[in-house]
Order: sequence, then structure tokens, then C-alpha cells
Amino acid sequence: GESVGLHLPTLSVQEGDNSIINCAYSNSASDYFIWYKQESGKGPQFIIDIRSNMDKRQGQRVTVLLNKTVKHLSLQIAATQPGDSAVYFCAENPPSYGKLTFGQGTILTVHP
Amino acid sequence: GAVVSQHPSWVICKSGTSVKIECRSLDFQATTMFWYRQFPKQSLMLMATSNEGSKATYEQGVEKDKFLINHASLTLSTLTVTSAHPEDSSFYICSAQGGYYEQYFGPGTRLTVT
Repeated sequence: GESVGLHLPTLSVQEGDNSIINCAYSNSASDYFIWYKQESGKGPQFIIDIRSNMDKRQGQRVTVLLNKTVKHLSLQIAATQPGDSAVYFCAENPPSYGKLTFGQGTILTVHP
Repeated sequence: GAVVSQHPSWVICKSGTSVKIECRSLDFQATTMFWYRQFPKQSLMLMATSNEGSKATYEQGVEKDKFLINHASLTLSTLTVTSAHPEDSSFYICSAQGGYYEQYFGPGTRLTVT
């Protein structure tokens, strides 16, 4: 469902630390998941995706983990940099809906 | 590849006037585009699905007569906010569907209604 009206949770880390951003999705039938990064005043930027037949996928400095049992998605960012500071959204694709449903989002702040 | 543009990037208008926002897929054709609205520090809220050559499908609670959507070609969708009021001030983002799963987002349009 949508999270209109809720304020975003925040995560503060030091530069060089690893970051883990979590997301609980709503539809057990969703077969595709995406993580987006949104910088202030800009549109969402694709980071990494994963299909429901996988439980882990790695990209450059990022890893997405999918736990379908508890409907949980996480994004791990290795060696976090100040440029990683942004809002991170997960999105799910329920086949019956045919459109992406966005999660609440998490504000990541990286301190030098 | 897969670039989506929006124009204008920001607009200020007076209450009661109408504003048109364009969304273009620059290097691919998109039969389906989506329009989202985002308030500060909140998630993206889907407003409507724009299908080339047919009427848009609006999400529950979105006034179709206030937010007019036209998808006249495979690379262009427009959102017109009619008789804008200060409560319509928001960040409007479009996306274009490049495949079954992929959505490519535009940079957004900041609308301020005074």
C-alpha cells in the first residue's frame, strides 16, 4: 500500500561504513523488485533490481537481498560515500496490478 | 540509453491558471507512461497511467478533470493541472515503461502555485 502522510525513516553513517537499508513489501505475489536512489530535487534513479526467483543479487558496491518468507527486501551499500546521501526507495511489481508500488523510503546521510 | 525528460523543470503559476508538464522518452518508444506526485519527504504516489492512443487510467482519489493526461505519441505524454490551487503545489514525476518491468524516470517538475 502507499505510505502517504508518513515521514521517512533516516539512517546516518560515517563515510567508509557499510549501509543497510530495509524495506517491507506488501504483496506476496510481487515478482520483481527495484531499489531507487533519489537525490534532492531529482527523479528516482535505478540502482539494482531482483526477481522473485532469486534471493540475492550483487552490483557495483550494492547488494540486494530478498526474503520472500517475511516479505523483506534490503539494500546493502559497501564503503558508503558522501555521494550516496539520498533517499532510497524500494518498489515492488505485483503482477495483478501491473504497476510499481513504492515503499516508504529511507533518508541516508553519509558523514565525511 | 533510456532517457526520459520533463519540461519544465520548475514552474510558478498563479492560482486559477492551468499548467502543462511534458514528459518525453528521448531514445525509446513508450506505449505506457506513468505520472507520480511527491510531497516533501514522502514517497511517490501514482496518479495515473498514460497509454498511447487511449484514455489515461487514474488512481483512486485523483480527479481526472483536474489532472488532464494526454499521450498523443509513443514518446510524449502531457499532464495539465487545470485551475491550479496552492494545494496542487508539489513535485510531479513521470516515468516511461521500457519493457515489462523497466520504468525510467524523468527528472521531475516542481510546481508552485501562488
